[in-house]
Amino acid sequence: GAGVSQSPSNKVTEKGKDVELRCDPISGHTALYWYRQSLGQGLEFLIYFQGNSAPDKSGLPSDRFSAERTGGSVSTLTIQRTQQEDSAVYLCASSLTGPGGPDTQYFGPGTRLLVL
Amino acid sequence: AQSVTQPDIHITVSEGASLELRCNYSYGATPYLFWYVQSPGQGLQLLLKYFSGDTLVQGIKGFEAEFKRSQSSFNLRKPSVHWSDAAEYFCAVVPSSGNQFYFGTGTSLTVIP
Repeated sequence: GAGVSQSPSNKVTEKGKDVELRCDPISGHTALYWYRQSLGQGLEFLIYFQGNSAPDKSGLPSDRFSAERTGGSVSTLTIQRTQQEDSAVYLCASSLTGPGGPDTQYFGPGTRLLVL
Repeated sequence: AQSVTQPDIHITVSEGASLELRCNYSYGATPYLFWYVQSPGQGLQLLLKYFSGDTLVQGIKGFEAEFKRSQSSFNLRKPSVHWSDAAEYFCAVVPSSGNQFYFGTGTSLTVIP
C-alpha cells in the first residue's frame, strides 16, 4: 500500500505570504503528527491529531501556524504571514494507536519550505 | 523538564568497526523507546522499538538497542558498520502516559573506508 505522502515537495515563498502544506496519511491510521526539522536540528513537534479528539497543538510556535485534519484523513498545515525563520523541512507522520501504546510512526518525505 | 538527549552530535567510525550511539531520557515512568534513521535525501525509517519485555531489542539492518532502566538509557549498537550506515540517527521517546513523540537532536554518523 501507499505510504505517507506530502505535497508540495518543495515550496519557495516570499516573506509575508501564506502557505499550505498537505499530508496524506496511510489509510486507516488514526494518529497524525506534524514536525518541523530545521537545518542541523532534531525534529520539533508541532501538532498531533488522534481520531476525533481535539488536536494537541502544544507544539505550534505561534498563532501564525494552524492545522486541520478533514474526515480523519488528509491534513493541512497552514503558515500565515511567513517569516524567514519558518524555513525548514516540514514532516508529517501517521500511525495506528491502540491500547498497547503508540505504534510505529511512518514518515512522509517532507516539504522543504524556503521563505525569501 | 522532560527531555531526550543524544550527547554525540557527530560520530566517525571506520567501516567494519563497532558502533554505539547514546540516548538518554528523563521521564518518570518507563516510556516507549524508538530509534529512527534518516539517510541523505530519504525520509525517517524505524530501526527498532522497545515497549516492554526483553531489554535487548533487535532491529533492521543488523542494529540492536538495549534498554537500561537504571541509567535511563536506550543505546543503539551495531557490531560491524557498513558504509551504507552513514546517516542521521534519532532517538525518540513516548511517555507512558501519552502519545506524543519526543525526538533527540540526532547523531550524524560518518563511515570512513
